[in-house]
Amino acid sequence: DAGITQSPRYKITETGRQVTLMCHQTWSHSYMFWYRQDLGHGLRLIYYSAAADITDKGEVPDGYVVSRSKTENFPLTLESATRSQTSVYFCASSVDRVKGSQHFGDGTRLSIL
Amino acid sequence: GENVEQHPSTLSVQEGDSAVIKCTYSDSASNYFPWYKQELGKRPQLIIDIRSNVGEKKDQRIAVTLNKTAKHFSLHITETQPEDSAVYFCAASKNDMRFGAGTRLTVKP
Repeated sequence: DAGITQSPRYKITETGRQVTLMCHQTWSHSYMFWYRQDLGHGLRLIYYSAAADITDKGEVPDGYVVSRSKTENFPLTLESATRSQTSVYFCASSVDRVKGSQHFGDGTRLSIL
Repeated sequence: GENVEQHPSTLSVQEGDSAVIKCTYSDSASNYFPWYKQELGKRPQLIIDIRSNVGEKKDQRIAVTLNKTAKHFSLHITETQPEDSAVYFCAASKNDMRFGAGTRLTVKP
């Protein structure tokens, strides 16, 4: 689905650096989500947003910051990256928070050295 | 919060056989149960979903069953093909979507 795009696809950075992952959707979905995917844990919700300027914590929010100034964009920032944040990050969007299917982006593979 | 457990973690079947993946959830108020397929290096994609007012749903070779009393739901794939090889995730949703840890399905030709 080209309707949701993530950038960059791959990123290598060092501990302590700030890094921002971008997510853009063209469906005008109200809800957007950030997940991290780690072996043995499946997908875990970091943050979600119900609309522009409305964000809320998910299951594993520590160390992450989000913003949503426009409906179509939902960037995720690691303010001071740590090795434990090495993961694959997926952005998703949906019409409904809990009762509708979520559409995922292609993911960002982030490595923190 | 909701806790979703998924079994088995790996599953290998011969082409043409059936595959069954099972998930249990902890919150009886969960009311939406999607299944996602993720091929290697790709995004998760919804393959089927079921809501709490339905016991079973089928789409060609894929079916999902839900037992609300026992709080478990299952994915059934019949006549498996090599292209069914992927990681499958279940999820349960009440206030937030919680995913199982995934099942790596391998279909041997």
